[in-house]
Amino acid sequence: AQKITQTQPGMFVQEKEAVTLDCTYDTSDPSYGLFWYKQPSSGEMIFLIYQGSYDQQNATEGRYSLNFQKARKSANLVISASQLGDSAMYFCAMREPNTGGFKTIFGAGTRLFVKA
Amino acid sequence: ETGVTQTPRHLVMGMTNKKSLKCEQHLGHNAMYWYKQSAKKPLELMFVYSLEERVENNSVPSRFSPECPNSSHLFLHLHTLQPEDSALYLCASSHDGTGQHNEQFFGPGTRLTVL
Repeated sequence: AQKITQTQPGMFVQEKEAVTLDCTYDTSDPSYGLFWYKQPSSGEMIFLIYQGSYDQQNATEGRYSLNFQKARKSANLVISASQLGDSAMYFCAMREPNTGGFKTIFGAGTRLFVKA
Repeated sequence: ETGVTQTPRHLVMGMTNKKSLKCEQHLGHNAMYWYKQSAKKPLELMFVYSLEERVENNSVPSRFSPECPNSSHLFLHLHTLQPEDSALYLCASSHDGTGQHNEQFFGPGTRLTVL
C-alpha cells in the first residue's frame, strides 16, 4: 500500500493567488514526521516545511503553511501569493522513526505551474 | 558555500564502463543518503550511512557500490550498468538519521545516462 499519496499530477495557479497541494499518508506509528520539498527544473530538492505528528499547531514558513489534519491523515501544503519562481515539482514525504528506521518515503509529486 | 555538492553533474557511460559519483556535504551532518529518481517514479532510497556505517541497503543491485570514507564524503561506484539505470542520482545529508524531525538537504544531483 502506498504510504504517501499525492493525487494531483499537475496544478495551475495564477500568479499572486494561493494554491493547495494535496498529500495524504498512511501509518500506524503514532510518531512520524511530515515534510514538503520543492524540486525546480535544476534538479535540487529543497526542504520547505516540517510537521511533527505531535505538533498541536500547523507549521508555517514564510509563504508556506501546512494544513495538518491528523484524523484525516492529510498534510496539504498551502502556498500563498504564488510567484513565477514557485513553478516546480513538489514532494510530500514522511518519516516513521520507530518503524521506518532511517527511511523517508516520498510521494510521486505534484508539478505546479504558476501563470503570469 | 553550497551545503551539499555532487560531481559530476552529468555523466554518460557505456554498459562496460566503471565510474564513480561523488557527494560532499559541508553541513557537519552525520547521515548521508543516495537516492535514485527515475522519470514518473517516486524517489527511491538506495543507501543510508550514519556515522560512516551503512544502515540501509534497499535491495540495490550489486552493480551499485557505495562508499563513505568519512562523514563528509559519500561515493557511489558504478560498474556494468544497464540502460534502465539511467536516472537522476541525488545525494542528501541530515543531522542524524533518527527522530521525526530530520529534514534532509539535497545536492543538485548527477544526471546519469547509460548507453
